[in-house]
Amino acid sequence: GAGVSQSPSNKVTEKGKDVELRCDPISGHTALYWYRQSLGQGLEFLIYFQGNSAPDKSGLPSDRFSAERTGGSVSTLTIQRTQQEDSAVYLCASSLAGVDGYTFGSGTRLTVV
Amino acid sequence: SQQGEEDPQALSIQEGENATMNCSYKTSINNLQWYRQNSGRGLVHLILIRSNEREKHSGRLRVTLDTSKKSSSLLITASRAADTASYFCATESYNQGGKLIFGQGTELSVKP
Repeated sequence: GAGVSQSPSNKVTEKGKDVELRCDPISGHTALYWYRQSLGQGLEFLIYFQGNSAPDKSGLPSDRFSAERTGGSVSTLTIQRTQQEDSAVYLCASSLAGVDGYTFGSGTRLTVV
Repeated sequence: SQQGEEDPQALSIQEGENATMNCSYKTSINNLQWYRQNSGRGLVHLILIRSNEREKHSGRLRVTLDTSKKSSSLLITASRAADTASYFCATESYNQGGKLIFGQGTELSVKP
């Protein structure tokens, strides 16, 4: 597609449930990021995929969070046993390595009630 | 870990005035990028400046980089109400495993 697509755009879930957030990067982009942004805050790095290299998972806040990228394209961020503090906007971005800047999706607003 | 720190946290100016936002960082970088965010959703890439560059222009935007002071500034000239948004700097460096780390942002309000 023309841009980075994220789904769903909004998700309300009950505490303790698992959620899956999806990111479709721009075709051909080798780098893919997940960030989290709480209200009025900056972007918190979660995980970084670059080509076929092992992902950099150093930003994942707990073992309830995991992400995968299948076939070097679509990525899914999974949060197990959601907690209220997981409520935030989850942003995905992709880039063609070595080319200027990253293209962001519109994000998924997750609300845990 | 936080790499970039923006200053000021919030800035309010009149249309037509210039807006200057600053960013400081801690470790050596490959490049520094500025992004704009409207309404707390997706970010838009504005400009990238590499560590061997000192100044870059794009339309009404001017970015400077001082690697000796580990700081950058974003100048928006002749501001418009439509420039109202949050502006973030982000650094990319080998020290960070090549990943892009963002600052907390500056909230710019341009009054008509």
